Amino acid sequence: DTEVTQTPKHLVMGMTNKKSLKCEQHMGHRAMYWYKQKAKKPPELMFVYSYEKLSINESVPSRFSPECPNSSLLNLHLHALQPEDSALYLCASSQERWGNYGYTFGSGTRLTVV
Amino acid sequence: DQQVKQNSPSLSVQEGRISILNCDYTNSMFDYFLWYKKYPAEGPTFLISISSIKDKNEDGRFTVFLNKSAKHLSLHIVPSQPGDSAVYFCAASANNYGGSQGNLIFGKGTKLSVKP
Repeated sequence: DTEVTQTPKHLVMGMTNKKSLKCEQHMGHRAMYWYKQKAKKPPELMFVYSYEKLSINESVPSRFSPECPNSSLLNLHLHALQPEDSALYLCASSQERWGNYGYTFGSGTRLTVV
Repeated sequence: DQQVKQNSPSLSVQEGRISILNCDYTNSMFDYFLWYKKYPAEGPTFLISISSIKDKNEDGRFTVFLNKSAKHLSLHIVPSQPGDSAVYFCAASANNYGGSQGNLIFGKGTKLSVKP
């Protein structure tokens, strides 16, 4: 299995809703990442988990809450989002956080906040 | 301050010809460079990479060239095919760059269109 699986593929949520994005990989990768990508922009790093511990939070608002329950799973909990949070949310993993390892990306979750 | 720059937002090439996508970087601590390809509604897919100890890496139709003195890299696709039409992101990482070590920094992307 050489994939990163993200669910759901599409999500529409209201500003008062609570939802979660899920990411799963079974490649034994020990680093996992959340990126946010707006249209015509590069992916922007949100969070980095290394060995299931949060090691980077790129000043992301608290309405985004990451969770890494185990080495294969990464969640992103969403609460009280704003319309400007609508974007493609990408999960990625790499063998380790340091070193010359490429990332494997999931297909993303297309989030629309209404 | 953009550390990885792709100054051409788009490129149009005829099928069978060479596509050359360019990328410049400003951070001399970057030591690993990657190219990703992205189709609409999909996540980026790894294409090819190069370490700073090399100046060229080739994989089939794809070749990446690195010019460290100019802080410039390029991706050559020969011959170009219509299926290569996608957005290409250049990315860089540094193993010893403070708290951001190992994280990928992406350029803004270049949209390649290969016309039959």
